Amino acid sequence: QVQLQESGPGLVKPSQTLSLTCTVSGGSISSGDYYWSWIRQPPGKGLEWIGYIYYSGSTYYNPSLKSRVTISVDTSKNQFSLKLSSVTAADTAVYYCARDRMGLRIFDYWGQGTLVTVSS
Amino acid sequence: QSALTQPASVSGSPGQSITISCTGTSSDVGSYNLVSWYQQHPGKAPKLMIYEGSKRPSGVSNRFSGSKSGNTASLTISGLQAEDEADYYCCSYAGSGVFGTGTKVTVL
Repeated sequence: QVQLQESGPGLVKPSQTLSLTCTVSGGSISSGDYYWSWIRQPPGKGLEWIGYIYYSGSTYYNPSLKSRVTISVDTSKNQFSLKLSSVTAADTAVYYCARDRMGLRIFDYWGQGTLVTVSS
Repeated sequence: QSALTQPASVSGSPGQSITISCTGTSSDVGSYNLVSWYQQHPGKAPKLMIYEGSKRPSGVSNRFSGSKSGNTASLTISGLQAEDEADYYCCSYAGSGVFGTGTKVTVL
């Protein structure tokens, strides 16, 4: 059974960089059938896809966030990571990592989510 | 890219059927048979319920079904049960993988 687990600081100051890591267990991040996504959900609001990475390192980002987002992968640790720069209060959200089947936005496994608050 | 449009809320009595719509454009929902649906209970991660428009993952009840007509996809829950009370989101494969606005399902 594939499991994903997000980790990282729960509080980030405005203008700083948000950094999160997703650890995948029960399956290899290097499987060619899957892409690895980050999705967020502001409190009381809907879901927003941030972007994905393939095990080879190729990425695709939501155009609305592209200028501030970097997603990277470490296949040796079976992890992928998110960096979001120049954060504001609007970036306060629960951040989820998820497995994306064939890059078709079919998110079949999700992490439990981690709340990141942007505040001074 | 704008979010897909869903009704804010839908309600029904136990045993009834309800349908949630998800309206996009010819550039997303209308172009691909790649709409997925997610169920989210409060404080929990979303769960995949339907993918590729009408396919159910293993373990998902056959009370859940999906369809599409033109630029609108639909999720139908038949035999509504108390445990179906949750938020539901659609998602379309279209560049930035846009999600729907979300629908709160209430079981009366």
